[in-house]
Amino acid sequence: QVQLVQSGAEVKKPGASVKVSCKTSGYTFTSYDINWVRQAAGQGLEWMGWMNPNTGYTGYAQKFQDRVTISRDTSISTAYMELTSLRSEDTAVYYCARTSDYNDYLTDYWGQGTLVTVSS
Amino acid sequence: DIVMTQSPESLAVSLGERATINCKSSQTILYRSDNKNYLAWYQQKPGQPPKLLIYWAFTRESGVPDRFSGSGSGTDFTLTISSLQAADVAVYYCQQYYTTPPTFGQGTKVEIK
Repeated sequence: QVQLVQSGAEVKKPGASVKVSCKTSGYTFTSYDINWVRQAAGQGLEWMGWMNPNTGYTGYAQKFQDRVTISRDTSISTAYMELTSLRSEDTAVYYCARTSDYNDYLTDYWGQGTLVTVSS
Repeated sequence: DIVMTQSPESLAVSLGERATINCKSSQTILYRSDNKNYLAWYQQKPGQPPKLLIYWAFTRESGVPDRFSGSGSGTDFTLTISSLQAADVAVYYCQQYYTTPPTFGQGTKVEIK
């Protein structure tokens, strides 16, 4: 069965960076794009960017353009999201999500989420 | 960016009764070339990631109970739960995937009255 398993919770200081991993299984990693979405406590969903694991091509929301990098290691079917220059407003649960067969921004399987806390 | 606006923010419905959630996009998300509305609905329960319920505005994802239905076109959409069950208590989000960036509504919390 399709699974996306994310790395564990992180606590970071302002100005630091965080790198969250998303290990996939149950399907061919290079056949489906990966999106990253975040959710602050009690808030809605915010799309951050996407990656084509086959080509490595990425696209980012303008808000995060200068601070986020999505990458992958195809040998272990894992995607990564790195966010730099962290501030308190980046405290949120970060999700990876696989795109569906129908559209690159329609997601059908999600990771369990990784809580990133930014605090001094 | 396309802004998605949901209403109401929350609603309380008795078990077995109908729940209706509305979603409005700031511009059309109907793609003329394929006559499809690029609109999805997700359900999120506490401590869980979102779960895809409906896409193309009205197509149910595999395994989703038929009490969930979607309707609408262009800029105005509706998610209906025909007979609310206790398991349906959750926050529901609409999302447009018509263009980048994909954007979500702010969510509607559904509770039992």
